[in-house]
Amino acid sequence: EAGVTQFPSHSVIEKGQTVTLRCDPISGHDNLYWYRRVMGKEIKFLLHFVKESKQDESGMPNNRFLAERTGGTYSTLKVQPAELEDSGVYFCASSQGQRNSGANVLTFGAGSRLTVL
Amino acid sequence: QKEVEQDPGPLSVPEGAIVSLNCTYSNSAFQYFMWYRQYSRKGPELLMYTYSSGNKEDGRFTAQVDKSSKYISLFIRDSQPSDSATYLCAMSSYNTDKLIFGTGTRLQVFP
Repeated sequence: EAGVTQFPSHSVIEKGQTVTLRCDPISGHDNLYWYRRVMGKEIKFLLHFVKESKQDESGMPNNRFLAERTGGTYSTLKVQPAELEDSGVYFCASSQGQRNSGANVLTFGAGSRLTVL
Repeated sequence: QKEVEQDPGPLSVPEGAIVSLNCTYSNSAFQYFMWYRQYSRKGPELLMYTYSSGNKEDGRFTAQVDKSSKYISLFIRDSQPSDSATYLCAMSSYNTDKLIFGTGTRLQVFP
């Protein structure tokens, strides 16, 4: 079974430019999450899709960030225009549908490292 | 104050040592407690999770949760160089899928 795939693995852009990160979840996983780790800080939640719908976007920093999941398969996270403080590692994770009981077990991708100069 | 506190380390131990990793938290609504392992340039990988209080053992790994003290631990017995990684605690409430992470503890096991 293929895991969660993220692209690109590393992106270096200048302040003011646009970057689009892509995540391909595990096939059949309805839940897709974006998390971000800024240097020296903890991994923080950005948003959660259930299929193509945004379930929770309370962690999105501001309106420069736009996440989409058309068709409920892969997802993109666009940052426009990028600022210096957006630098960090963006993780995508996915999980199956409704959990019967127990924790929501997430499988994470390797992350997309974004460097804004 | 952060919801989850975790000593970033680094923690350096000899092969075969028992390792103790810990997190404290402030939100009494947390019900699920997870430990993730992250190797360099990789994503976090779930090691273990525990619901509410108690212990859970899986091979060389034991997770403990003390909700009265708001304190969780991960013990690694007979540590191996391959255990060298960053260990992240994460927690969530019953009615949400959002994980709250600690900053992670970097562990190095030397031969």
